[in-house]
Parts: sequence; structure tokens; C-alpha cells
Amino acid sequence: AQKITQTQPGMFVQEKEAVTLDCTYDTSDPSYGLFWYKQPSSGEMIFLIYQGSYDQQNATEGRYSLNFQKARKSANLVISASQLGDSAMYFCAMREGLSIDSGYALNFGKGTSLLVTP
Amino acid sequence: DGGITQSPKYLFRKEGQNVTLSCEQNLNHDAMYWYRQDPGQGLRLIYYSQIVNDFQKGDIAEGYSVSREKKESFPLTVTSAQKNPTAFYLCASRLPGQGGNEQFFGPGTRLTVL
Repeated sequence: AQKITQTQPGMFVQEKEAVTLDCTYDTSDPSYGLFWYKQPSSGEMIFLIYQGSYDQQNATEGRYSLNFQKARKSANLVISASQLGDSAMYFCAMREGLSIDSGYALNFGKGTSLLVTP
Repeated sequence: DGGITQSPKYLFRKEGQNVTLSCEQNLNHDAMYWYRQDPGQGLRLIYYSQIVNDFQKGDIAEGYSVSREKKESFPLTVTSAQKNPTAFYLCASRLPGQGGNEQFFGPGTRLTVL
């Protein structure tokens, strides 16, 4: 079963506007972490933001914030004041468990393609 | 500058041939990972290693092999047993310990089987 679901294959946003990219997850582990990565057309993955399952406050990193709703199992990424350079694929990922046996490997969603227009 | 390098950037292979993808990091990270990405898909875990001379299978390890003889290096061999090897391959590394430590990724290798 898919552990990370990103329901928006593609999104458009106008420059300087805010946009929300959706992510829902499925886990029965009480300890987990949620990550967002950006993948430009060059292909490399760029880390944006992290939210731990026990974190009381929503994570923020500059223009990026994570709207974490634990009961709904959602971890939406909010990009404020969009820029043309934000056009890319965005992936939500989850790390389950804190045991070293899990290897801290990530489960990724299928991604959302964001296009920022002038 | 610290980072992860992958070579080559593009790789072409004939069916039935084994090929090795290179991944080197100078971040002094203990853990390293290999992921595969197909068009329109997310990343899927092939293998990971948390320490030298030890590695574990991921979700799609069949047809792949790895080694971890040095901390800095984690090469991936795509064998002829891999039925559909054409994909984008990404290597990553991570600091040990805290669950919030993110994975750092290399630039990737695009493998095409002719």
C-alpha cells in the first residue's frame, strides 16, 4: 500500500502568490518524520523542510512551511511568495521509526509538478 | 566543498551487460543509500548501508548488488538480472543518529539500456 500520497500531479501558481502542495501519509508507527524535497529539471534532490511526529509546532524554513495535521495524517507544504525558480517537482517523504534497523530510509510519494507563471 | 558525486551522468548499456554506477561522498556520513526513479514516479529504495562492510536490501533490490569497502564509496552494480534497468539512479548519504537528519543527494546517473 502506498505510504505517501500526493494527489496533485500538477499545480500552477502565479508569481508572488502562495501555493499549498498536499501530502497524506499512512503509518502505524508513533515515531516518524516527514520531509519535503524539491527536484528541479537537473534531477538532483534538494531538501526543503522536516517535521517530526512529536514536534509540537509546524516547521518553517524561510518561504517554506509545513502544515502538519497529525490526526488527519497530512503534511502539506506551503510555499509563500512563489518565485519563477520554484518551478520543479516536489516530493513528500516519510521516515518510519527511530530504530537503527530501519536504516532511516525514506518512502517517497509520486510528486507534484509545480509551475510558477509570471 | 563537501558533497556527493555520481558518475557518469549518462550511461548507456547493451542488454545482458553488467554496469557499475559510482557514488562518492566527502561529508563523512556513515549511512548511504541508492534509489531508483522512473518517469512520473517517486524514488524507490534499492539498497542502503549504515556502516562500512554492511548493507541491507531495500524494496527493489532484485537485480542489483552493492559493496561498501570504504566509508566514502557505495557503488551500485546493475546486473543483467535486472529486467528493466532503464531509470534515473540517485545516491544519498546521511549523518547517523537523530531521525530528523536529512538525506543529501547526488546529481544522479541516468541509465539507458539499448
